[in-house]
Order: sequence, then structure tokens, then C-alpha cells
Amino acid sequence: DADVTQTPRNRITKTGKRIMLECSQTKGHDRMYWYRQDPGLGLRLIYYSFDVKDINKGEISDGYSVSRQAQAKFSLSLESAIPNQTALYFCATSDPSSAHLETQYFGPGTRLLVL
Amino acid sequence: AQSVTQPDIHITVSEGASLELRCNYSYGATPYLFWYVQSPGQGLQLLLKYFSGDTLVQGIKGFEAEFKRSQSSFNLRKPSVHWSDAAEYFCAVEGTYKYIFGTGTRLKVLA
Repeated sequence: DADVTQTPRNRITKTGKRIMLECSQTKGHDRMYWYRQDPGLGLRLIYYSFDVKDINKGEISDGYSVSRQAQAKFSLSLESAIPNQTALYFCATSDPSSAHLETQYFGPGTRLLVL
Repeated sequence: AQSVTQPDIHITVSEGASLELRCNYSYGATPYLFWYVQSPGQGLQLLLKYFSGDTLVQGIKGFEAEFKRSQSSFNLRKPSVHWSDAAEYFCAVEGTYKYIFGTGTRLKVLA
């Protein structure tokens, strides 16, 4: 079984709809991240969480919210989806080593299309 | 400001040819650097990472990268490319509590 799973893998929705993307991990990592990937722009950080009680905005958090329900679960919500949120969304986890971040482990991605 | 630049958006090489993907970074202290690969329809997989020590690091799938502080570079290399190496490659640097990714280089391999 995959260490980092994302559901759904693909989603089509309409403008104005609320949608939630879910991420679960079995790696036991405290740190979790949500990124979006757009062609030519690479990966951009939306939100990150260093533990269940810690949520931080990334560089492009507007229009998004997150919930860290447990160490293993980190959900991303689009309260009112808009077409420019069409993208590939990745969840990732990491296990910090000393004062620095360790390798990030990525889920398979969720492809979202907002019509 | 912390940043990562991958100057080549697309690269095409013939199978069996050598490969070098460029990565330049801007970071105030000693950087922690990574290369990830994204195969079509897949998530990102770590190829290799540099934290300290030997500036030539070996990774999976026959890849290596060399850290050159004087040039602020961390280029990825492979002596002989296989068709299965066709993918998108991302360089990343550890920023303040998060990663900063480059925009990626898409590799096409000709048979």
C-alpha cells in the first residue's frame, strides 16, 4: 500500500461549489503539506502543518483552507471553487531531522478541473 | 530571497546519450538541495539530496548531482539515458521551514 494517499484522484466540479481533497499517510510523519502544480510554474505551497495543532499558510493560500484532523490526515478545501484553481494538487509529508527538513514524500496527486 | 531556477523548460536527448539538467539556487546559508522526478501521472519521487560532505552525490536510477558553491549550482547528470527516464525533473532547496521548487525541466527521450 502507498504511504501517502490522496482522494479523489480526479475531480470535475463547477464554479462556486465547495470541494474537499483528502490526504492520508501511514508514514507516521508529523509534517504535512499541500502543493498545487501548474504547467510552467512548478510546485507552489498552499498550506503546511507541523503537527495537529499547527497550521501555516504557504505562498498561495487565498481561496483555500485546511484541516488537520489527526497526525495522519490533512484535508484541503476550496470553499467556492473558481476556474483558475484548476490544477494538479499534491500532498506531501516529511520527518524532520535535527533542525532541518528531511525528504518529502509525495502522494500521487489529485487532478482538479473547475468548470 | 531564496529561489531556485531551472533554465531549461524542455530538453530532448537520444537514448544512450548523456544528460545534464541545470539547477541554480539563491540561498543565504549552506543549502540543502534535492532533485525529484515526476513520471507521467505520478507523484514526485526523490532522486537524490545534498546536505553536506562530498559535493558529488549519487542517487537512484543511475543519477548523480554535483554541488558547486562557487556557481550556486546543483546540476543533475546521467551518463546514459534510458527511454524510461522521460519525465519532469524538479530541483528544490530547503527554505525556511519549507521547500522551494524550481519550475521543472521536462525530458524527452528519442529512441
